Amino acid sequence: QLQLQESGPGLVKPSGTLSLTCVVSGDSINSNNLWSWVRQPPGKGLEWIAEIHHVGNINYNPSLKSRVTISLDKSKNHFSLRLSSVTAADTAVYYCARDPIALTMVPLGAFDIWGQGTMVTVSS
Amino acid sequence: QSVLIQPPSASGTPGQMVTISCSGSTSNIGSNYVHWYQQVPGAAPKLLIYRNDQRPSEVPDRFSGSKSGTSASLAISGLRSEDEAVYSCAAWDDSLSGRVFGRGTQVTV
Repeated sequence: QLQLQESGPGLVKPSGTLSLTCVVSGDSINSNNLWSWVRQPPGKGLEWIAEIHHVGNINYNPSLKSRVTISLDKSKNHFSLRLSSVTAADTAVYYCARDPIALTMVPLGAFDIWGQGTMVTVSS
Repeated sequence: QSVLIQPPSASGTPGQMVTISCSGSTSNIGSNYVHWYQQVPGAAPKLLIYRNDQRPSEVPDRFSGSKSGTSASLAISGLRSEDEAVYSCAAWDDSLSGRVFGRGTQVTV
């Protein structure tokens, strides 16, 4: 049973860089999946941030693209998020999630597995 | 400002049916699949409906999804107290080249 677990600092200073890791257990990160980061500010809706596939394909939310880097570490079976120049508006619960790709090479298009989420607060 | 528009709240009594709408445009709902998530307080979202009207095996058939044009709907029949949650729609947006979500609808039983 595939599981995802986010980790990282819960507090980041304004103008700093937010760094999070999502450990994949129960499957290889080299499996045919799209790995994503999604966030949810307090009391607000979900916002997709970025996605990555192990062959190197990457997509970013255009509104965050200039500040975001998503990467993948095959040796540690995890993928990561870096968000630079953070402000209070980046305070949110950050989730990692999986979009599985079928044998037809078509993604499901939806996130069928989510991590439990990690709260990140941007404050001095 | 969410790209997909949902009503902020909906309510019903036990046993009733509740329907939640999700309004988009030709670049998202109009040309791509719609998915629905259920989220209870303090928990991660759970996939409820994928590809407009498909249910994961563990989701009760009281939940159903549909799509018409640039709008989609989620129906919950036989409403139960455990259905109290926030329901969010999602889709790919061709113009934005990214995934978009609705703001979510709080369902109260």
